Amino acid sequence: KQEVTQIPAALSVPEGENLVLNCSFTDSAIYNLQWFRQDPGKGLTSLLLIQSSQREQTSGRLNASLDKSSGRSTLYIAASQPGDSATYLCAVSGNTPLVFGKGTRLSVIA
Amino acid sequence: EPEVTQTPSHQVTQMGQEVILRCVPISNHLYFYWYRQILGQKVEFLVSFYNNEISEKSEIFDDQFSVERPDGSNFTLKIRSTKLEDSAMYFCAISPELPSYNEQFFGPGTRLTVL
Repeated sequence: KQEVTQIPAALSVPEGENLVLNCSFTDSAIYNLQWFRQDPGKGLTSLLLIQSSQREQTSGRLNASLDKSSGRSTLYIAASQPGDSATYLCAVSGNTPLVFGKGTRLSVIA
Repeated sequence: EPEVTQTPSHQVTQMGQEVILRCVPISNHLYFYWYRQILGQKVEFLVSFYNNEISEKSEIFDDQFSVERPDGSNFTLKIRSTKLEDSAMYFCAISPELPSYNEQFFGPGTRLTVL
């Protein structure tokens, strides 16, 4: 059974800092990995999708990498801003629909 | 990015009552999903729906749950007899093509509170 773990559970950084969020999964037989952002009490906004054949994807200040063989992904956020404060969720798709991690709650302090 | 709306945004109901949650994709998509998130816990898959029938469901999706697309646009999740533990955020998601290879786009969610 696929399990997704995200570390750290919470992170607080000063504005302008670069940061890395980690995601690991137990079954490397995935089709893709998706990073989401969730604001408190809100829905999930898709940030990046990495297909299993890809190593990374970039969107603006966000860069996500995937090492399928080791079951790891990272989300790199450059020059963090207070507006980046949210919970970031990692989810993998394999033989089952999306399996989510619990998320990393990010606070960017002005 | 495909848009998905959900109604109502918040539903309060008494234990044992039936509730219907609605999802309306703005554009036409083939694959629909329901997920739920109990407060403080992970987002969990409930059911996927393709070509007017269930394609996959989780252990959570028992006989108390049903889904349908009654009019070709709305996609509904019905809980026949709600329990306290059904209190959660319920998210609808859509995918334009084969789900394993494509992004899923989520709606804003319906907060269900069972008293």
